[in-house]
Amino acid sequence: QKEVEQNSGPLSVPEGAIASLNCTYSDRGSQSFFWYRQYSGKSPELIMFIYSNGDKEDGRFTAQLNKASQYVSLLIRDSQPSDSATYLCAVNQAGTALIFGKGTTLSVSS
Amino acid sequence: GAVVSQHPSRVICKSGTSVKIECRSLDFQATTMFWYRQFPKQSLMLMATSNEGSKATYEQGVEKDKFLINHASLTLSTLTVTSAHPEDSSFYICSARKTSGGTRWTQYFGPGTRLLVL
Repeated sequence: QKEVEQNSGPLSVPEGAIASLNCTYSDRGSQSFFWYRQYSGKSPELIMFIYSNGDKEDGRFTAQLNKASQYVSLLIRDSQPSDSATYLCAVNQAGTALIFGKGTTLSVSS
Repeated sequence: GAVVSQHPSRVICKSGTSVKIECRSLDFQATTMFWYRQFPKQSLMLMATSNEGSKATYEQGVEKDKFLINHASLTLSTLTVTSAHPEDSSFYICSARKTSGGTRWTQYFGPGTRLLVL
């Protein structure tokens, strides 16, 4: 059974702080890793994807991948109240549908 | 990025009727699309994988005769909920797969369709 695990939260951070979201996956054959953001009542929106070990930065977001530890994380710098949402981690092997975690709810207080 | 549209965004229907939901990839071709369902405060649940020109692949527990999927072109997949009942009321979201080179690809989601069956 291929699994993607996330802490459901809620993760609460003050405005301006760094939010750290974590995800582990069970299938060592996973090749691509994604972070989606889902606001309440809306569909998921792609934030970042990462394929290789290391860090990938895009604006205030940094994705980190460690395939040896089967771990992927998302850092949000200078968190804003508008970042409050559920963050979904997803992984896939070539040719298969994405496998989603259950999501971590982030709450950024002003 | 990539744009995926869904229509309608919201539909209310009577029990026993059928409802068709359209999913379109607007700026890329998608040989594969996915249909998800999400109940309030629950996780995304993959219902089926829609492949252009072939039969859809349904996840375990999803009735293929109740949820009819047609992927007639590289930019359009439709989901028809047949003989809808109140328990089918949910948020239906499609997702289209866009290749990014080699065997790698990314899934982009449509805005979703909220179905209410009375």
